[in-house]
Order: sequence, then structure tokens, then C-alpha cells
Amino acid sequence: GAGVSQSPSNKVTEKGKDVELRCDPISGHTALYWYRQSLGQGLEFLIYFQGNSAPDKSGLPSDRFSAERTGGSVSTLTIQRTQQEDSAVYLCASGVGPYNSPLHFGNGTRLTVT
Amino acid sequence: GDSVTQMEGPVTLSEEAFLTINCTYTATGYPSLFWYVQYPGEGLQLLLKATKADDKGSNKGFEATYRKETTSFHLEKGSVQVSDSAVYFCALRGGGADGLTFGKGTHLIIQP
Repeated sequence: GAGVSQSPSNKVTEKGKDVELRCDPISGHTALYWYRQSLGQGLEFLIYFQGNSAPDKSGLPSDRFSAERTGGSVSTLTIQRTQQEDSAVYLCASGVGPYNSPLHFGNGTRLTVT
Repeated sequence: GDSVTQMEGPVTLSEEAFLTINCTYTATGYPSLFWYVQYPGEGLQLLLKATKADDKGSNKGFEATYRKETTSFHLEKGSVQVSDSAVYFCALRGGGADGLTFGKGTHLIIQP
């Protein structure tokens, strides 16, 4: 079956521009997460959606970052006025509710801010 | 809050050597534990998991045992191959947070 799909796979943008990153989770998965993977920094939690509940935005690094999930499926992560320190791989993961279940990851979007 | 600590690399071994990558955790409640692997240029893939104390997860020759008394989940493999070269992440879920809490990753390099 189809896994988690992310697009674009690579994005190069100029400092100050806005970018949108898209995630298509596995069908039927109610939980959706965004993580950021920076060189030497490991994996950083950004935001979490669970069903129709209000998202957990506690990991977003600044108010330039926002995300939405439409219809409980596709999610878009938006970064406004990009900065060079935003350069990283942005990973999306989806899963089902029980905590003994693993999360399934997409291949990520590599964002480069020049 | 929850945290995962794993040995940082790079770890360089010769083919057919024995592998151990240490992982310890701090969490509230009773988390599930996972090892993920990231091959060059790819996303994270689940390698193995364990959901309760003394459970052993295994896959592709890798094993890890959930040790509650030492809060550890060390990854082992008896004979590594060049194709095992990747970054390995230890993670937990279901402690104090809903998502996965990751260690910083261990870069493993296997030389022929």
C-alpha cells in the first residue's frame, strides 16, 4: 500500500520568501506529525495533529511556522519569511492512536534557504 | 520530560564484527521503545520495537531488549554487513508525550 508521501522532495528558496511543504499521510491514520532534521541536531518535534482535536503546536520554533490539516488527511507546513537557519529536512509521519504503534515516515522535504 | 540518550558516532566497524549501539531513556509512564534506521538519502524506517518490559524486538538480524530496570534498549547485531551502514535512531512513544521522542542518532559505518 501507499506510504507517507511528501512534496516537494527538494526546495531551494531565497531568504525572506514563504514556502509550503505538503504531506499525504497513510489512509486511515488519524495522527500526523511534523519533525525537522537538522545536521548535527537530530530530530526535532514541530507539531502534532490527532483527529479533530486542536493541534499540539508546542514544538514550532517561531510564529513564522504554521501548519494545517484539511479534512483530517493532507497537511501543509508553511514557513513565512524564511531564514537560513530554517534549512533542514522536514519529515512528516503518520500513525494510529495506540502508543505501542510505530509512526511511519515520509522521505522528507530538503529545504535550502539561500 | 521524556528524553533518549544514545551513543553518538560515527561508529566504524569492519564487516562481520559484532555491533552494540547503546540507548537509555527517561520517561514518565510506560513507553514503547523503537529503533529506526535511515539509509543515505532516504527517510526513517522502523527497524524494530518493544512495547513492554523484557520484550525483545528483532528484525534483519538486529535485536534489542526492553530493560526497565536499567531504562535501556541497546541495539545489537552479531555480524554486520556493509549494507547496514546508516544512521540509527532510538526512540520512545507513550511516555509524557504523544509523539516519538528521539535520540540524536548514531552514524554507523561498516567497512569491507
